[in-house]
Amino acid sequence: AQSVTQPDIHITVSEGASLELRCNYSYGATPYLFWYVQSPGQGLQLLLKYFSGDTLVQGIKGFEAEFKRSQSSFNLRKPSVHWSDAAEYFCAVAPLYNNNDMRFGAGTRLTVKP
Amino acid sequence: DTGVSQNPRHKITKRGQNVTFRCDPISEHNRLYWYRQTLGQGPEFLTYFQNEAQLEKSRLLSDRFSAERPKGSFSTLEIQRTEQGDSAMYLCASRGTGGTGELFFGEGSRLTVL
Repeated sequence: AQSVTQPDIHITVSEGASLELRCNYSYGATPYLFWYVQSPGQGLQLLLKYFSGDTLVQGIKGFEAEFKRSQSSFNLRKPSVHWSDAAEYFCAVAPLYNNNDMRFGAGTRLTVKP
Repeated sequence: DTGVSQNPRHKITKRGQNVTFRCDPISEHNRLYWYRQTLGQGPEFLTYFQNEAQLEKSRLLSDRFSAERPKGSFSTLEIQRTEQGDSAMYLCASRGTGGTGELFFGEGSRLTVL
């Protein structure tokens, strides 16, 4: 069955510390991969996406993600977290053969300590 | 490009009443999606339009739900005889043809059923 798993429901990091949010997927083949961010009461904003090529992708707001085919993972990273990064982060996948079928993980809520 | 617009942003209604949400996608986007998001969960796909044609519907979309996109521009999502379980954020997203499936989301319409 196709699925997206974000193992961490809630993560707390100190401002200035590094961040890694995990995402694992289960699909028959490599899908399109996305990370979205959602601030409270707001819609989703795309941080970055992967569909082919270099497995390390750069996004907005200083975020990057690395696709690891062998681990079926697409983890999101940031070297130094800012207080404004506190939000909900969603990993999403869409199969290559039907990229209308975008599925989201349950999300990871990020809290940033001063 | 003014982004995806949704209204109302928040609707409070009594059980049994009908509600309607509107979505105005990015003007050049021919594909429009509705998602539902409950607290602590990622968005779940409800339905998808290509131009005015409703091409996919999730089994989450019960008979009380109906969506339209009469002229291939804005879309409406109506919920009849609302139930408390309908309380959620209803997200609209759009995208153009081709590309890698990136969706552009509106800020959502939050429904509270009392």
